[in-house]
Formats: sequence, structure tokens, C-alpha cells
Amino acid sequence: DQQVKQNSPSLSVQEGRISILNCDYTNSMFDYFLWYKKYPAEGPTFLISISSIKDKNEDGRFTVFLNKSAKHLSLHIVPSQPGDSAVYFCAATFSSGSARQLTFGSGTQLTVLP
Amino acid sequence: NAGVTQTPKFRVLKTGQSMTLLCAQDMNHEYMYWYRQDPGMGLRLIHYSVGEGTTAKGEVPDGYNVSRLKKQNFLLGLESAAPSQTSVYFCASSTDRYSPLHFGNGTRLTVT
Repeated sequence: DQQVKQNSPSLSVQEGRISILNCDYTNSMFDYFLWYKKYPAEGPTFLISISSIKDKNEDGRFTVFLNKSAKHLSLHIVPSQPGDSAVYFCAATFSSGSARQLTFGSGTQLTVLP
Repeated sequence: NAGVTQTPKFRVLKTGQSMTLLCAQDMNHEYMYWYRQDPGMGLRLIHYSVGEGTTAKGEVPDGYNVSRLKKQNFLLGLESAAPSQTSVYFCASSTDRYSPLHFGNGTRLTVT
């Protein structure tokens, strides 16, 4: 039973427009959430994170929104660029754990069309 | 600045064979992790280590063993490979339990 779900396997967006990637979780004990980006033949790289005490975190073109009541988070990329084409994974964890044990979603392939 | 290096990059095993995947990091990180990624699924944690000489089980530890004899290295062993262990394996490290993970580029393992 997947505790972190990304229900859209793929998303295509025109260059310059907004990309919105969604993620749902079922475990209400998760209190820290992260987004990773992955290019082919490379490992995931950290993008942005958010603690459950916040509902929004921004870093340049990337903004993550957290809706705890709905157990939903989203990643907004504005404006989208062709170099953003990659697989995006959301991940969740407990800040009280002994290590950063991340539970990942299955990923969304974002394609930004020039 | 190598970061996290995984060897080998590719490997094909026959059922029942054994092998060891090596992960090396040059960032002096305390924490190290082994994940596997399968099609249609997210990365799943196999084992992790919170420091030299320590190891702990993750979500899917069965069929794997690990060792952390040196701080910079984290080894993942398969004693008797099975087709279900066909996957892409990622190693990661972090400074502490609050820091983002830095991943290697993965090892693609096929068990026939």
C-alpha cells in the first residue's frame, strides 16, 4: 500500500507556462516533505522541501504548497524551461526518525515543450 | 568533487550468484543509505547507516546485507541473487538526519 502517491505518470507543458506536479500521502504522521528531480542515468537531486508547520515554501522558480488537511502537496514551476524536463519525485518522512528515511512516490515525468 | 560514487554501473547476474555493490562518498557524511527503484514505483529504502560500524534495516531488507566498516564506504551485498532483485540501486548520503540526501548515479542490476 503506497503511502505517497503521484497519480500522474506524465505531464507536458509549454515553455514559459506553469507546471504543477501533485502528490498525495496517507500517513498523517509524515511531517516533512521533499521534492527530488531526476534526469536519465543520474541519481535524484534535491530540489525543495517543506515542513508541516508551513504551508508554502519558495526557492526561485520553484514553490511547494502543503495542504495538511487534504494530505496533499504540489510543486509549482514558473516559468517552465526545457531544462526542467525530468522525472520529479515527492518524498515524505518523519522528523523524529533516527535517519532520513524517505518514502517516495512513483514519480511524474515532466516534459517542457519549446 | 566526486560526491557519491557507485560501482559497478551495470551488472548481469545469474540466479544464485552473489555480488557486492560499492558506494563511496567523499563528503565526510555520517549517514548513508541504499535504495532500489523499480518501474512504476518510487525508491524504496533497503538498509541505512547512521555512522561507521552501524547498519539498520529499511523498508525492503530481505535478501540483502550491508556493511559500513569505513565512514566513506557503504557496501550492499546479495548473497544469492534472485530475479526479483533486478532493479536500479541507488546509494545516498547525508550530513545528518535533517539534511537532504545526495544520491549516486545508480547501479543497474539484472538477474536472469
